[in-house]
Amino acid sequence: NAGVTQTPKFQVLKTGQSMTLQCAQDMNHNSMYWYRQDPGMGLRLIYYSASEGTTDKGEVPNGYNVSRLNKREFSLRLESAAPSQTSVYFCASGAGTGVGETQYFGPGTRLLVL
Amino acid sequence: GENVEQHPSTLSVQEGDSAVIKCTYSDSASNYFPWYKQELGKGPQLIIDIRSNVGEKKDQRIAVTLNKTAKHFSLHITETQPEDSAVYFCAASMGSARQLTFGSGTQLTVLP
Repeated sequence: NAGVTQTPKFQVLKTGQSMTLQCAQDMNHNSMYWYRQDPGMGLRLIYYSASEGTTDKGEVPNGYNVSRLNKREFSLRLESAAPSQTSVYFCASGAGTGVGETQYFGPGTRLLVL
Repeated sequence: GENVEQHPSTLSVQEGDSAVIKCTYSDSASNYFPWYKQELGKGPQLIIDIRSNVGEKKDQRIAVTLNKTAKHFSLHITETQPEDSAVYFCAASMGSARQLTFGSGTQLTVLP
C-alpha cells in the first residue's frame, strides 16, 4: 500500500497562474481532506470530502476549489495563485467512521507563489 | 469554533529525560484528541490519541492525559531518544465532526 500520495512534490508559480494539486489514497477511505501548513502555525483545513460526491468548506477555503473525482482521488485547484497561498499543502484521508477518525497524511506539496 | 493552544513552541531535553507538551482547547463539546508527529519533510503521523471518556492512555514510552474539567490534555514522552526529535502537534475535534483543529506545534529536540 502506498497510502496517501500527492503530486507534485514542489511547484513554483507566478501570481495569477493556476494549478491543480493531486491526491490519491489506496486505503478505501471515505473521507479526504486538504490542509495548508504555514510556518509557526498548525495545519488549517481548506476543504474536506466526507464521501464520494460531497465536499465542504473548512477553515480557510477562499481562493481554492476542490473535486472529489472518485473514492480514491481528491484534487485541490488554485484558479489564480497569490503570494499568500505560498505554503505546504497536505492531503489526508480517513476511514470516515465518525468520532475519533484517524487521519493519514500524504508527504505534502510545497508551493511557492512569486 | 474550536481553538487549540499548544505550549511550548520549542523544547530541548537531554537524551533519556522526559518531555511534556501541553494543549488547551476552548470547546467543551470536543471529545477526540489526537497527537501527531511530523518529521522534517514528511507529513504528520498519528502517534497516540485519546477520547473524552478516558483520562489517560499509554503506549510504551508515550502517554497522553486528559482533563476535561480544565479543558487541557498533555503528551508525555519518557526515556527520550534522538529519533524522538520532530515537531509534535495536538488536535481536537468534537461530536461526529471529522474536522480536526490543530495546535501550532512543538519542535522537540533530544540532545545526545
